[in-house]
Amino acid sequence: DAGVIQSPRHEVTEMGQEVTLRCKPISGHNSLFWYRQTMMRGLELLIYFNNNVPIDDSGMPEDRFSAKMPNASFSTLKIQPSEPRDSAVYFCASTPGAGASGANVLTFGAGSRLTVL
Amino acid sequence: ELKVEQNPLFLSMQEGKNYTIYCNYSTTSDRLYWYRQDPGKSLESLFVLLSNGAVKQEGRLMASLDTKARLSTLHITAAVHDLSATYFCAVVGGSNYKLTFGKGTLLTVNP
Repeated sequence: DAGVIQSPRHEVTEMGQEVTLRCKPISGHNSLFWYRQTMMRGLELLIYFNNNVPIDDSGMPEDRFSAKMPNASFSTLKIQPSEPRDSAVYFCASTPGAGASGANVLTFGAGSRLTVL
Repeated sequence: ELKVEQNPLFLSMQEGKNYTIYCNYSTTSDRLYWYRQDPGKSLESLFVLLSNGAVKQEGRLMASLDTKARLSTLHITAAVHDLSATYFCAVVGGSNYKLTFGKGTLLTVNP
């Protein structure tokens, strides 16, 4: 299995530009998470999907952030317009079943490092 | 709101020494995870602890869970340089999907 696949690995953009991050979860995994990691705030859950449906988006910082999961094998996280404070590493993770229930372990992708100038 | 605290946040050790990383959490939970992150890399799952008194061991690392004390420990035995990384504990709160992470412990093992 190729694991959770994220793209791009690195993105450098200017303030005000639109950024789209992509994630392909492990085949057969029903739950998908987007996390953001910064030095100041650590790892924060942005949004959780189960069976392609957003269950909890309370961690999305503001309206500039949006996430979609059009099918079981693809999700996007979009920032429009981007700001320097959005600079972070964005991780996608997936699990089989419902969230972190039972012994489900979140498997993380390699992350997308975003720098907004 | 679930809070997860790790200490120490920074740990510099000599090879061959033993040490323990602590993870305290603020609300009831019976599931706790330990992850490892190498610089610039993703998070790798180390242990899943599912019940009070659970103990898991892999190589020089041993993790335990005391749900009554809301405490987990990650014990390092005879540290080697390859263990240098950041270690995170993460706790499942009231919602079964929400994994709340500690700030991480940056471990440096020196020769």
